[in-house]
Amino acid sequence: AQSVTQLGSHVSVSEGALVLLRCNYSSSVPPYLFWYVQYPNQGLQLLLKYTSAATLVKGINGFEAEFKKSETSFHLTKPSAHMSDAAEYFCAVSVFSGSARQLTFGSGTQLTVLP
Amino acid sequence: GAGVSQSPSNKVTEKGKDVELRCDPISGHTALYWYRQRLGQGLEFLIYFQGNSAPDKSGLPSDRFSAERTGESVSTLTIQRTQQEDSAVYLCASSLVTQSNQPQHFGDGTRLSIL
Repeated sequence: AQSVTQLGSHVSVSEGALVLLRCNYSSSVPPYLFWYVQYPNQGLQLLLKYTSAATLVKGINGFEAEFKKSETSFHLTKPSAHMSDAAEYFCAVSVFSGSARQLTFGSGTQLTVLP
Repeated sequence: GAGVSQSPSNKVTEKGKDVELRCDPISGHTALYWYRQRLGQGLEFLIYFQGNSAPDKSGLPSDRFSAERTGESVSTLTIQRTQQEDSAVYLCASSLVTQSNQPQHFGDGTRLSIL
């Protein structure tokens, strides 16, 4: 079975500073990995996904994530935080097994951007 | 194009009443998922539909919860004899196929409050 751990339920950064949101996964087979963002009172929006092509994945709004198999990590980064980045971010893992439903979400990280 | 649509956006009801939540997936999406998100927590899988196959109900928390979907169209999630612990945001998602590298597209959710 797969699992996802997001380190830090709350992260605060200053506007213009580096954003780093951590995600580690556990999977017995090569995973597909996703980052979603959730703004207040909205559903989840896909930021980016890793599907075994390039290990460095670029997403929307200037975010990117790097898949590191040796560290079982898929951390999300953005060089310079903007006030509009304040939201909750979810990492999710999906295992290609051919069976039904294999998407597991982490518990989320709330990002606060300070002026 | 239209995204995943959920209704109502907000529902307030008294303990013990039944509620029905609706989800309109993206046209052509064969897979449909229901999740529950309690305040400050991550997503909790409830149920999954794939075409005309038997649904995966493994996430339903009790027999008070049920869901239906006709073909590849609208789904309804029903909660009978609601309890205060049912208060949460109920999110619906759909995806094109059940392949694990396909992202799920989320609706804005139904915020359910049980008095």
